[in-house]
Amino acid sequence: EPEVTQTPSHQVTQMGQEVILRCVPISNHLYFYWYRQILGQKVEFLVSFYNNEISEKSEIFDDQFSVERPDGSNFTLKIRSTKLEDSAMYFCASSLGLGAGELFFGEGSRLTVL
Amino acid sequence: RKEVEQDPGPFNVPEGATVAFNCTYSNSASQSFFWYRQDCRKEPKLLMSVYSSGNEDGRFTAQLNRASQYISLLIRDSKLSDSATYLCVVPRRSSASKIIFGSGTRLSIRP
Repeated sequence: EPEVTQTPSHQVTQMGQEVILRCVPISNHLYFYWYRQILGQKVEFLVSFYNNEISEKSEIFDDQFSVERPDGSNFTLKIRSTKLEDSAMYFCASSLGLGAGELFFGEGSRLTVL
Repeated sequence: RKEVEQDPGPFNVPEGATVAFNCTYSNSASQSFFWYRQDCRKEPKLLMSVYSSGNEDGRFTAQLNRASQYISLLIRDSKLSDSATYLCVVPRRSSASKIIFGSGTRLSIRP
């Protein structure tokens, strides 16, 4: 069964460092997403991506965040200068079509900022 | 009113019981609805889609009440493995790729 894969599974970084989280979405999916979940809190939408550009983003997704699809398979989330409050689980997801709530998630990347 | 609201629970029920919980939504134009399940420290996984009045899959039934703007999830003959957080998703029509999750209802099944 096709799946979304994410790397790394866990990353520990110092405050102020740049972090790149990587995702390989399901191959025939067209929409890609990043969500985050702070421990004990809800799953929060960060950004959606379609046709090589950002489709929607939330107020959380400020200038410190960026996404790109550099090579047609990987979908990355970059955090330029990490803060303590960026510590969370980051989930990548993909979907086949627009408007579908049928998202397929990766297992997540846990980011710990010290 | 929040876009999507769920009772956080926890719902603590014995194995074999029937349990139901609701998700209310504010956008009356919404056409599709989804229930996801999230195990502790794991990713959300799609459980059921609801496009019309309801959907049934084994022990799970999702119902849509458009007049009162809520969807419900009913679990019959609950198993220990049903213990999880159940997340409601109601995609917007106006910004269809900004898919927001409800805060979830925690369900705990006891032996």
